[in-house]
Amino acid sequence: DTAVSQTPKYLVTQMGNDKSIKCEQNLGHDTMYWYKQDSKKFLKIMFSYNNKELIINETVPNRFSPKSPDKAHLNLHINSLELGDSAVYFCASSQGGTRSPLHFGNGTRLTVT
Amino acid sequence: TQLLEQSPQFLSIQEGENLTVYCNSSSVFSSLQWYRQEPGEGPVLLVTVVTGGEVKKLKRLTFQFGDARKDSSLHITAAQPGDTGLYLCAGPSGKITQGGSEKLVFGKGTKLTVNP
Repeated sequence: DTAVSQTPKYLVTQMGNDKSIKCEQNLGHDTMYWYKQDSKKFLKIMFSYNNKELIINETVPNRFSPKSPDKAHLNLHINSLELGDSAVYFCASSQGGTRSPLHFGNGTRLTVT
Repeated sequence: TQLLEQSPQFLSIQEGENLTVYCNSSSVFSSLQWYRQEPGEGPVLLVTVVTGGEVKKLKRLTFQFGDARKDSSLHITAAQPGDTGLYLCAGPSGKITQGGSEKLVFGKGTKLTVNP
């Protein structure tokens, strides 16, 4: 019974394409996140939603657009993919606040060729 | 934004050895979290420390939060191959976003390999 699930696990695509990554959590958490982990394993927050409202929006290209249809789902759409977008993208959820543990999905490895 | 420096970046040891990894900052943190990430998976929370000087134990893992709440350490006793993974510390950024929230910032991690 996966707590935070994201699909797909792997995504290989060409430059210029548009792609989406989906995330769902069944923990009843109000807050969901997208993190990007680069090739050096550095984990950096991109976006956070609390009950469908955007609360953290880091400096990422506007080609990246998150969407939260309800508090259990947070999707990430990426337009006009570039080589530098290649990374592992993690969805996470928590009860909110910086002391609440983050529950991560298993990541989506995006490779742009 | 408060930064977290982790050391060493890489550590390769033999099964049965002891080790300590560090998470340091020049800023005071109200709390710190430690996560372990195994290959192909997302990070999993190990512990949260909130009080200066606090020591928490999780089987063979001992976590300590510095008295001044600027640093933390993770000590593993008698390491096993199953301890292999990327150890990440994380803490509040110290900045409130426009959305009224505070983000969690991560260190760059210590990649631990325990050889049988």
